[in-house]
Amino acid sequence: KAGVTQTPRYLIKTRGQQVTLSCSPISGHRSVSWYQQTPGQGLQFLFEYFSETQRNKGNFPGRFSGRQFSNSRSEMNVSTLELGDSALYLCASSYEIDVLSEAFFGQGTRLTVV
Amino acid sequence: LAKTTQPISMDSYEGQEVNITCSHNNIATNDYITWYQQFPSQGPRFIIQGYKTKVTNEVASLFIPADRKSSTLSLPRVSLSDTAVYYCLVGGDTGRRALTFGSGTRLQVQP
Repeated sequence: KAGVTQTPRYLIKTRGQQVTLSCSPISGHRSVSWYQQTPGQGLQFLFEYFSETQRNKGNFPGRFSGRQFSNSRSEMNVSTLELGDSALYLCASSYEIDVLSEAFFGQGTRLTVV
Repeated sequence: LAKTTQPISMDSYEGQEVNITCSHNNIATNDYITWYQQFPSQGPRFIIQGYKTKVTNEVASLFIPADRKSSTLSLPRVSLSDTAVYYCLVGGDTGRRALTFGSGTRLQVQP
């Protein structure tokens, strides 16, 4: 079956702009999580959605937001982009909402803010 | 989630067995130990998960001592394609889905 699909793969934006990233989970998976990966901070949890509801949120400013649709697809939005937002944004899907359920990651969206 | 400590990096040669140890001194009773592998510019990939003693799958083995304060991921006969970052995560079925990734161990396999 198809894996987790993230679009776009690469993105270049200017400071102050906003960006929307998309994630299509594996068919049947109900949980979608988002992570930010940078060389300095490593992999950091942004938020998680399950059945269209945000269930958990990491320690990121309100400029980072997300949502999940009824078909489990998810989007994350970053407003007023800063240079420090340049990162690989990863989406992971799983069937359940616990850490025991294997998470399948997409290839990520590499965002560059200039 | 319990904090984990792993070596920052390890080097090995093709064909050797590689053991990566992770310390998790404050692991809770209902916590499981999970390992993920990540190649450059890709998302992490689940390798193996266990609770106690030994777990083996087609990719790796996971050894967990009785006190569960540490665990060892064993990769038999590594190849160049095993060069990656390996993350040890500890957590239970508490309803919190967030995977907390530490710094991971960067494994470099040489020919």
